[in-house]
Amino acid sequence: GENVEQHPSTLSVQEGDSAVIKCTYSDSASNYFPWYKQELGKRPQLIIDIRSNVGEKKDQRIAVTLNKTAKHFSLHITETQPEDSAVYFCAASLLSAYGSSNTGKLIFGQGTTLQVKP
Amino acid sequence: NAGVTQTPKFRVLKTGQSMTLLCAQDMNHEYMYWYRQDPGMGLRLIHYSVGEGTTAKGEVPDGYNVSRLKKQNFLLGLESAAPSQTSVYFCASSYSQAPISTDTQYFGPGTRLTVL
Repeated sequence: GENVEQHPSTLSVQEGDSAVIKCTYSDSASNYFPWYKQELGKRPQLIIDIRSNVGEKKDQRIAVTLNKTAKHFSLHITETQPEDSAVYFCAASLLSAYGSSNTGKLIFGQGTTLQVKP
Repeated sequence: NAGVTQTPKFRVLKTGQSMTLLCAQDMNHEYMYWYRQDPGMGLRLIHYSVGEGTTAKGEVPDGYNVSRLKKQNFLLGLESAAPSQTSVYFCASSYSQAPISTDTQYFGPGTRLTVL
């Protein structure tokens, strides 16, 4: 089955610097890669996702890159702010098809605790 | 819309006791999932359901059972709780419709369970 490894487990940056979190996956069939942000005591929330037919996606200060050949994808946060401090999870999935055995199951990485120092 | 809700928010059990966690969603989602979250281990899938009346095992199903009698509800049961089941439990749901599906999962607020 799919296995997702996430690094680093903790990351501390100064406000305004960039942060990069990397994930690798094992199943070459996976084609959907979301990133979730979880603030302390809160539920995980989707911040950005990418499908395997594109190599990069941006949303304001957040970007995700995907290298299908190497089976890794990364989250990039630029101009970090204290409110970016949270735990970030990557995940991998096989995009589901209605009525098929594919179920949209997400396999998560272990998480990265990002601390942005003011 | 309330989105995904979970009941209860907190619970303390003694070893051997049983309980049921309720997840409800009002987004007409087809798929529902139960995860547990433990420090340093991310979110691990316990069981999931692709539709009313169907359930399947995830990564860590032992010690848990589930039921999906209604499309909007997904129940997680612990028949005989053990200290190893102390965790935060999250329910999630996602929408799937032919011919194109989406896998964006929406999470509930979580249930913090302690087994003594």
